[in-house]
Amino acid sequence: GQQLNQSPQSMFIQEGEDVSMNCTSSSIFNTWLWYKQDPGEGPVLLIALYKAGELTSNGRLTAQFGITRKDSFLNISASIPSDVGIYFCAGQLWGGTSYGKLTFGQGTILTVHP
Amino acid sequence: ETGVTQTPRHLVMGMTNKKSLKCEQHLGHNAMYWYKQSAKKPLELMFVYNFKEQTENNSVPSRFSPECPNSSHLFLHLHTLQPEDSALYLCASSQDHPTGGYGYTFGSGTRLTVV
Repeated sequence: GQQLNQSPQSMFIQEGEDVSMNCTSSSIFNTWLWYKQDPGEGPVLLIALYKAGELTSNGRLTAQFGITRKDSFLNISASIPSDVGIYFCAGQLWGGTSYGKLTFGQGTILTVHP
Repeated sequence: ETGVTQTPRHLVMGMTNKKSLKCEQHLGHNAMYWYKQSAKKPLELMFVYNFKEQTENNSVPSRFSPECPNSSHLFLHLHTLQPEDSALYLCASSQDHPTGGYGYTFGSGTRLTVV
């Protein structure tokens, strides 16, 4: 089956620094999504990407759908303490009998020191 | 009320108890999911329901029993659990069709502790 490798597994940064994390897959996806999970809560969708090469921003967040459709990255600029949490990438493949199901990365735990 | 609502938020149960987790979505979605999230582990898909029909069971032990009476409600019935079943249980929903998917909307989860 499809597998996602997300890196890094954890990051410890100073407030104000930029952050970059990425996901790679052994096979292609139609959609890439990035979620953030605050402690004790469910993941919340940050950015969705629907087209190879697409670059999308949401405030200080920027994500790109890789041209090969097998990878994606998420950048966070000028980090702040509330950026703390677990960030998950997810790939979605639709068409035929595969539609709907998400494959999640292992998550990146982000810690921001004031 | 909007979104995906899970109750209870916290649950402590003994290994001989029977309890149920409830999930309700107010988004008009046609698919619902149960995930297990243990400490420092990735999200583990447990069950998938499309249009109330179970379409996936990821080798989940029979002490976990899902029920989907309609497209808005999903239950997870628990009995004779083990301490290693302690985890955050997340419900999610999505609107899927053959030409596209738009990700999942998650609930806040139920923090389950088995003693």
